[in-house]
Amino acid sequence: DIQMTQSPSSLSASVGDRVTITCRASQGISNYLAWFQQKPGKAPKSLIYGASNLQSGVPGKFSGSGSGTDFTLTISSLQPEDFATYYCQQYNSYPFTFGPGTKVDI
Amino acid sequence: EVQLVQSGAEVKQPGESLKISCKGSGYSFTTYWIGWVRQMPGKGLEWMGIIYPGDSDTRYSPSFQGQVTISADKSISTAYLQWSSLKASDTAMYYCARHHEQGKGYDAFYMWGQGTMITVSS
Repeated sequence: DIQMTQSPSSLSASVGDRVTITCRASQGISNYLAWFQQKPGKAPKSLIYGASNLQSGVPGKFSGSGSGTDFTLTISSLQPEDFATYYCQQYNSYPFTFGPGTKVDI
Repeated sequence: EVQLVQSGAEVKQPGESLKISCKGSGYSFTTYWIGWVRQMPGKGLEWMGIIYPGDSDTRYSPSFQGQVTISADKSISTAYLQWSSLKASDTAMYYCARHHEQGKGYDAFYMWGQGTMITVSS
């Protein structure tokens, strides 16, 4: 199985901050990488697919980059509604695997 | 509107069987892969497996192979996750989710169900 790691595991930030989360795959996955946002008690929300493509309706303050083994999710200007846990997931090979998550709080 | 609506919360005893459901609407149910994700209390997301309702082609994570069965009834646009004998360690929230593009088995999840909480306790 491909192992996914994320860093940091948690971070504290303020409204207006630029935040970057890193995701690393244990082997190359091309651009088969997705990002999800999950708020407490809610289902995950899909943000990005193909490492850098925004899902429909996702605001442009979210951006993704990377290819191969190293990827980043950036939130350009953190807003109160962005405080959540963020997960990456590879879908290059079965079983698809999620990273452990990064919790973004104040 | 594309929607996935899951069945309600369940409280079961160890050893009991269970089948939970995920009904798709607003899209062609048979042409998109749909999968299941486990989230144990306070933990992260775990990919369990996916099914292509058009022909019931299924892929399982080795961690869940033999522990659960994923199925679909395309006549009623519903996917299922079932257990034959529940354990306390199956206590978790279970989400269904649909792939982004038609027919693509290697794809990101796009739309998620609201989740079904399963509690297994004696």
